[in-house]
Amino acid sequence: DGGITQSPKYLFRKEGQNVTLSCEQNLNHDAMYWYRQDPGQGLRLIYYSQIVNDFQKGDIAEGYSVSREKKESFPLTVTSAQKNPTAFYLCASSMLDATDTQYFGPGTRLTVL
Amino acid sequence: GQNIDQPTEMTATEGAIVQINCTYQTSGFNGLFWYQQHAGEAPTFLSYNVLDGLEEKGRFSSFLSRSKGYSYLLLKELQMKDSASYLCASMDSNYQLIWGAGTKLIIKP
Repeated sequence: DGGITQSPKYLFRKEGQNVTLSCEQNLNHDAMYWYRQDPGQGLRLIYYSQIVNDFQKGDIAEGYSVSREKKESFPLTVTSAQKNPTAFYLCASSMLDATDTQYFGPGTRLTVL
Repeated sequence: GQNIDQPTEMTATEGAIVQINCTYQTSGFNGLFWYQQHAGEAPTFLSYNVLDGLEEKGRFSSFLSRSKGYSYLLLKELQMKDSASYLCASMDSNYQLIWGAGTKLIIKP
């Protein structure tokens, strides 16, 4: 059963703590993406990676960090430098082909108390 | 700048037809995507258009006019399970998706 998994579904953290959100895919997709979704706004790209050991900043990378040590995995760390971390975080992956259609994991809802 | 516009909310009746419009302005264009997102869940892919015209896929169809920077998603024979947000996204010259804020579709019996 191929797909994208994110864990956990819900995450609560105290202000000032770093937290890492996991994203794994077994679709053999080359590219992986992290988005943030806030009410009333479109998805905003945080980071993306098209190849192992390489990643690029998206529009709102400040306060976040990522790694891509394996093709299947693209974890996102929300650091204490991120001023408004409470949001719904979505991971996606795609082949690098004509359409680059992105497929999403179930998301992690992060609440910082 | 890059911009995607779509209505915030629409209401329709079960069994009817609804058209959700999207206009886009992006740096370059490599296709227009529609996704469906139920509350609290991930977006799921519905359609992709890169050439002008209508693409039909069951009860859902998507139309693109590149010269007008315009697309619409047409949903026929509406069912209660179609109540969701519909997200329009344009792929720019860097193959990045620029997303609209989504249209919340409410289906009434």
